[in-house]
Amino acid sequence: EPEVTQTPSHQVTQMGQEVILRCVPISNHLYFYWYRQILGQKVEFLVSFYNNEISEKSEIFDDQFSVERPDGSNFTLKIRSTKLEDSAMYFCASSPGTDSYEQYFGPGTRLTVT
Amino acid sequence: GQNIDQPTEMTATEGAIVQINCTYQTSGFNGLFWYQQHAGEAPTFLSYNVLDGLEEKGRFSSFLSRSKGYSYLLLKELQMKDSASYLCDLQTGANNLFFGTGTRLTVIP
Repeated sequence: EPEVTQTPSHQVTQMGQEVILRCVPISNHLYFYWYRQILGQKVEFLVSFYNNEISEKSEIFDDQFSVERPDGSNFTLKIRSTKLEDSAMYFCASSPGTDSYEQYFGPGTRLTVT
Repeated sequence: GQNIDQPTEMTATEGAIVQINCTYQTSGFNGLFWYQQHAGEAPTFLSYNVLDGLEEKGRFSSFLSRSKGYSYLLLKELQMKDSASYLCDLQTGANNLFFGTGTRLTVIP
């Protein structure tokens, strides 16, 4: 069964450094998303992406964040200058966007900023 | 904006039935999802309601009443592996999900 994959599974970085989190959505899906979950808290929407552009973003997704689909398969989230409070689990998700809006989540990348 | 309320924790016995309630306030939404999340793992899809009424899917059923701002998830024949958090969430805007804080269900023998 096709699944969303994410790399790395765990990333440790120093405050102020740039990180790129990578996702490979399910191949025939049209909508892509990033969510984050700070430990012990709820899952929070960051951004949705459709037709090679951002379709919606939350107030969390400020100028430090960017997304890109550099080729036909990868979908990346970049944080330019990480802060301690960016430490969280980051989930990528994708959905077919036709008859079904079910979102399929990847296993997540745990980002630790020290 | 959106606001979702669910009980924080629930405990139920293996083999029993449990109902997890969700109430919400929203300016509009496309549909309501229920996801399951085991600790340290990604959410996995359980059910989706667009119209009022009951959707049944094996041991899981979900109900929606838009006029009452209310949904519930019903789990039957509880198994130990059902111990997890259950997330009620609204699909809004460009199909992104607004999650509640979830209900942590503990199934005991």
